[in-house]
Amino acid sequence: KQEVTQIPAALSVPEGENLVLNCSFTDSAIYNLQWFRQDPGKGLTSLLLIQSSQREQTSGRLNASLDKSSGRSTLYIAASQPGDSATYLCAAPKAAGNKLTFGGGTRVLVKP
Amino acid sequence: EAEVAQSPRYKITEKSQAVAFWCDPISGHATLYWYRQILGQGPELLVQFQDESVVDDSQLPKDRFSAERLKGVDSTLKIQPAELGDSAMYLCASSLAATEAFFGQGTRLTVV
Repeated sequence: KQEVTQIPAALSVPEGENLVLNCSFTDSAIYNLQWFRQDPGKGLTSLLLIQSSQREQTSGRLNASLDKSSGRSTLYIAASQPGDSATYLCAAPKAAGNKLTFGGGTRVLVKP
Repeated sequence: EAEVAQSPRYKITEKSQAVAFWCDPISGHATLYWYRQILGQGPELLVQFQDESVVDDSQLPKDRFSAERLKGVDSTLKIQPAELGDSAMYLCASSLAATEAFFGQGTRLTVV
């Protein structure tokens, strides 16, 4: 059974600092890995999707890496802003069309 | 921009009452998911549809929960009777042919 872990559960940084968010998974047989952002009381917004054959994916200030052999993905957010404050979740399906198995999320606070 | 629509956004109900949630996926998305998210945790799958067929309902408490997607488009999730432990965010998501999953804004259920 796939287990996804995100450590730390919460993170507080000053504005301008780079953010590094970690995601670990126990079963390397994943189809892809998706990073989401969730604001309090809201739904999930897709940030980046990395296919299992890719090593990284970039969008603006966001960069996500994937190392299947070690069961890890990392989301980097450059030059953090107070608007980046949210919970970030990673999730991976085992095969095409399968359910997403989520980590517990990392709650990020960027202080002005 | 196309989005997943959910209603209602918030629902307060008394225990033992019936409650229903509605989801309209992005047009053309054959796969529809219902997830439940308890505060502070990652979402967990309740049921997955491929068109009008259920492909995974292994975590759906079938004694009180039911879900349908009669015409393979919109979907309804019902709870009867509601219990205090059902208080959570109910999230609907859709995807096109096992690609990126897109989530709605969710329904926040409070059972009193």
